[in-house]
Amino acid sequence: DAGITQSPRYKITETGRQVTLMCHQTWSHSYMFWYRQDLGHGLRLIYYSAAADITDKGEVPDGYVVSRSKTENFPLTLESATRSQTSVYFCASSSGQGGPDTQYFGPGTRLTVL
Amino acid sequence: SQELEQSPQSLIVQEGKNLTINCTSSKTLYGLYWYKQKYGEGLIFLMMLQKGGEEKSHEKITAKLDEKKQQSSLHITASQPSHAGIYLCGADIVWGFDKGAGNMLTFGGGTRLMVKP
Repeated sequence: DAGITQSPRYKITETGRQVTLMCHQTWSHSYMFWYRQDLGHGLRLIYYSAAADITDKGEVPDGYVVSRSKTENFPLTLESATRSQTSVYFCASSSGQGGPDTQYFGPGTRLTVL
Repeated sequence: SQELEQSPQSLIVQEGKNLTINCTSSKTLYGLYWYKQKYGEGLIFLMMLQKGGEEKSHEKITAKLDEKKQQSSLHITASQPSHAGIYLCGADIVWGFDKGAGNMLTFGGGTRLMVKP
């Protein structure tokens, strides 16, 4: 059971380049989330999705684009990467069956923008 | 997040010692989640607390949610080097799970734990 996976695990890119981070879950969870983790800021929600084709902004969405054409995939795209987007990105999913609902996290992608 | 404060920010303990990490909110916690993150890795779910006064234990880790549902504590008994890592609390403090908005979580800043052998 693969659970939730992210790719790539590490990425170095240059300012202005487009970068896509992939997230895949095998649980058929309804909800998926993208967070970034930075020193001094903790985990901050970028975007989330309640189901396929339903996405919404989180706390820090500027500079990011998401899509969710299939339940199992939730890619995050940086259309024109900036140095301030250097961070560790985590994808998470939850079943969305109502009530308190545990989020399960992927291993993270460490992105460096030069 | 300023809405969810963790203390202490970092902690160094001798192996075998007990320790407590706190997570405090100015708003009611509808669901409180504790995660552990090993350095350079993802978050591992530890426990979820929902009801005021609830207490859960797993191995040597005990988490409690106070009666007013505004503070949670994580207690580790007889710490071991394997307990080292970053502990994060995450809480649904805005939506409330019964409002049908899914479980948008706000996270505390984390507590970095080191256990000296």
